[in-house]
Amino acid sequence: GENVEQHPSTLSVQEGDSAVIKCTYSDSASNYFPWYKQELGKGPQLIIDIRSNVGEKKDQRIAVTLNKTAKHFSLHITETQPEDSAVYFCAARNTGANSKLTFGKGITLSVRP
Amino acid sequence: KAGVTQTPRYLIKTRGQQVTLSCSPISGHRSVSWYQQTPGQGLQFLFEYFSETQRNKGNFPGRFSGRQFSNSRSEMNVSTLELGDSALYLCASSLGRAGETQYFGPGTRLLVL
Repeated sequence: GENVEQHPSTLSVQEGDSAVIKCTYSDSASNYFPWYKQELGKGPQLIIDIRSNVGEKKDQRIAVTLNKTAKHFSLHITETQPEDSAVYFCAARNTGANSKLTFGKGITLSVRP
Repeated sequence: KAGVTQTPRYLIKTRGQQVTLSCSPISGHRSVSWYQQTPGQGLQFLFEYFSETQRNKGNFPGRFSGRQFSNSRSEMNVSTLELGDSALYLCASSLGRAGETQYFGPGTRLLVL
């Protein structure tokens, strides 16, 4: 089955700096890659997603890039703010009859004021 | 449009008991997926329901079961609770087609004593 690895497991940046979170996946047939942000006591919230027919997608301060050849995708957050501090999860959805989302273990992002 | 709702939000049970959790998807969404989230294992897929039928199932023992009603609301049941079942149980809804974006509820925090 699909295996998604996320690294690093923790990341600390200074407010205003950029943060990059990387994920790799194993199933080359996976075609949908969402990113979720989870704050304490809440469920994961979708922040951006990308499909396999697109290499990059941007939404204000957030962007995601996908490299299908290398089977990795990355989340880029520019001009980080303290409210960006949270746990971020990447996921990959495989195709076929047993299609499901497989999540990475998550990364804790801390933005220092 | 109201988001995904889950009840109850918190639950304390003792070993051997059973528990039923409820999930109401976003209006119009026909697919409901359930996940177990623990610090050690992250987000793990339990099962997915679409139009009252289980479409996919994760690697959990038979003590974990679910169902979906005609109005798309879903319940999951865990019988003979074990200490290791303590977790945040998350429900996510989507329109229903493979690859559709999933939106999560706030989760039900289950503590087994």
